[in-house]
Amino acid sequence: ETGVTQTPRHLVMGMTNKKSLKCEQHLGHNAMYWYKQSAKKPLELMFVYNFKEQTENNSVPSRFSPECPNSSHLFLHLHTLQPEDSALYLCASSQGPSSGNTIYFGEGSWLTVV
Amino acid sequence: QKEVEQNSGPLSVPEGAIASLNCTYSDRGSQSFFWYRQYSGKSPELIMSIYSNGDKEDGRFTAQLNKASQYVSLLIRDSQPSDSATYLCAVGDAGGTSYGKLTFGQGTILTVHP
Repeated sequence: ETGVTQTPRHLVMGMTNKKSLKCEQHLGHNAMYWYKQSAKKPLELMFVYNFKEQTENNSVPSRFSPECPNSSHLFLHLHTLQPEDSALYLCASSQGPSSGNTIYFGEGSWLTVV
Repeated sequence: QKEVEQNSGPLSVPEGAIASLNCTYSDRGSQSFFWYRQYSGKSPELIMSIYSNGDKEDGRFTAQLNKASQYVSLLIRDSQPSDSATYLCAVGDAGGTSYGKLTFGQGTILTVHP
């Protein structure tokens, strides 16, 4: 139990579907993140939110749409994805605005686009 | 383009031996350094963080940082089969406003055989 909960853990969707990934952190942190982990590639930062304001969009395609209604919840809305978007999507949180603060990952959502 | 390089391995060591994992990074201004362990099919979990030159020990783990050489390593003493996993090196941006903008290496696969 990491204090960061992600649902669903596994998702299979067609290229025309719309789905959402959900993340909730129970650590009282101020910052939340979405990372993508593809096979044979390093973890890639997608989005950063601090106090529910987006502070980073790492050139992510618009078919990925994040939403952060408060400091504890983070969503990733998915639409018209491509098969190459199949990956493990990791939510994470940290306490403050410095990269010196440790980030804690959720268990991840395995996404398969067919 | 900030880069973090790790030998992808696999690194195979016998049980009870010392496993040495290495990482180099390109951004000389980096200030925070992390080692994460990731079991197959699971999310990364933090093993060690280090911010200053020198060694930092925590149980069987020792992190070593040499900023002049842009090099960080992780030593695992008395390696156990349960240490078999992928070890991710992560480097944080310089500056106090970089919200968890960690750059990850590709990871080193460690196998500890009985």
